[in-house]
Amino acid sequence: GAVVSQHPSWVICKSGTSVKIECRSLDFQATTMFWYRQFPKQSLMLMATSNEGSKATYEQGVEKDKFLINHASLTLSTLTVTSAHPEDSSFYICSAREQLSRLAKNIQYFGAGTRLSVL
Amino acid sequence: AQKVTQAQTEISVVEKEDVTLDCVYETRDTTYYLFWYKQPPSGELVFLIRRNSFDEQNEISGRYSWNFQKSTSSFNFTITASQVVDSAVYFCALNAGNNRKLIWGLGTSLAVNP
Repeated sequence: GAVVSQHPSWVICKSGTSVKIECRSLDFQATTMFWYRQFPKQSLMLMATSNEGSKATYEQGVEKDKFLINHASLTLSTLTVTSAHPEDSSFYICSAREQLSRLAKNIQYFGAGTRLSVL
Repeated sequence: AQKVTQAQTEISVVEKEDVTLDCVYETRDTTYYLFWYKQPPSGELVFLIRRNSFDEQNEISGRYSWNFQKSTSSFNFTITASQVVDSAVYFCALNAGNNRKLIWGLGTSLAVNP
């Protein structure tokens, strides 16, 4: 159980194009999903917290117009990198946390990540 | 302030050695959760364990064991008889109070050599 699918796993795009990354919880409902960015040999940097049916909460320094997040259902959140530039090249990882309940354990389960290369 | 410190940046051991990864945390909250995740070269983060602040029992899962000590604010992770497949970056993380976010350590890169 607790499987999170992230797609695509790898994408190369030209500068100026937009890229959409999908994050799906396959066997549980996730009221909250998180989007992270990770640079080589560094820790995870939280970009935003995505809540189903409401606007995402962005961390300080993250451009909301640059990184569009949509959490339209309890199993799907998307991150769109708009007008991508080479400096946006990175490893993007999503995680999903099970709908909070008495039985939920506040555990984030992670997707496999998306390696974005902007030329 | 909440903080997680993993002082060991890189560790290299030979297969079958035991290795302990250190994690020290800071929080003023009395209710909090501690986590360990493994990130192999493929990149996916794998959940290993969650411990809440009211449960100081140590835990063993196969070759993995965790030592939670509130007195020293530490949550250390030991791999017994390490294997090459254990080579990965290991992250310790903290979730405290009403904060829904995980506070991450910088990770410890473990290399297990044959």
